[in-house]
Amino acid sequence: ETGVTQTPRHLVMGMTNKKSLKCEQHLGHNAMYWYKQSAKKPLELMFVYNFKEQTENNSVPSRFSPECPNSSHLFLHLHTLQPEDSALYLCASSQVEWAGGTFTDTQYFGPGTRLTVL
Amino acid sequence: KQEVTQIPAALSVPEGENLVLNCSFTDSAIYNLQWFRQDPGKGLTSLLLIQSSQREQTSGRLNASLDKSSGRSTLYIAASQPGDSATYLCAVSFGFQKLVFGTGTRLLVSP
Repeated sequence: ETGVTQTPRHLVMGMTNKKSLKCEQHLGHNAMYWYKQSAKKPLELMFVYNFKEQTENNSVPSRFSPECPNSSHLFLHLHTLQPEDSALYLCASSQVEWAGGTFTDTQYFGPGTRLTVL
Repeated sequence: KQEVTQIPAALSVPEGENLVLNCSFTDSAIYNLQWFRQDPGKGLTSLLLIQSSQREQTSGRLNASLDKSSGRSTLYIAASQPGDSATYLCAVSFGFQKLVFGTGTRLLVSP
């Protein structure tokens, strides 16, 4: 496996189900991200993890619960979702580096999980 | 609020045409700007990244320009091909891990 992988690629769940999305990066990066892409809306940043620590929660409802057990894996646990949560969920990773007062954090994206909530 | 806008939302051209996609952003204090390609149901593929100190970047038939003072970037595609059909996303880094995306331009190149 290379780059950023996500499983499953497609998921259909009811509003009372509990499911998890998985992301794995094979790039040796130190930061991972969850994004949501809804129809006709820009990608929205949901969570950011740096060195396994959550550093950003972009006002995401508690029915979405992220977990980062190590720098290569990122999960998004889902429970009691709503139909409006149906979207493409994208994972990304980057190697964050600071030098000379500036930073680089070019992000590499996975293929996404298409989630449908019935 | 920092926002990114892309015009047009959709574009249909015959094969062989040169075309320009536009991206505008509300805050000139950016770190870099990136153009991505997204195929239906797929993830994002990075095409070009322009640092704030640069004016343009080129890769094959693609050329991206950046004018920070006017808050604009363009992606120029030369001699378009049906395989170029995809959605093109502009993303602006307004700060550390603050990547803001536009809604994209959906391009269809017909044979």
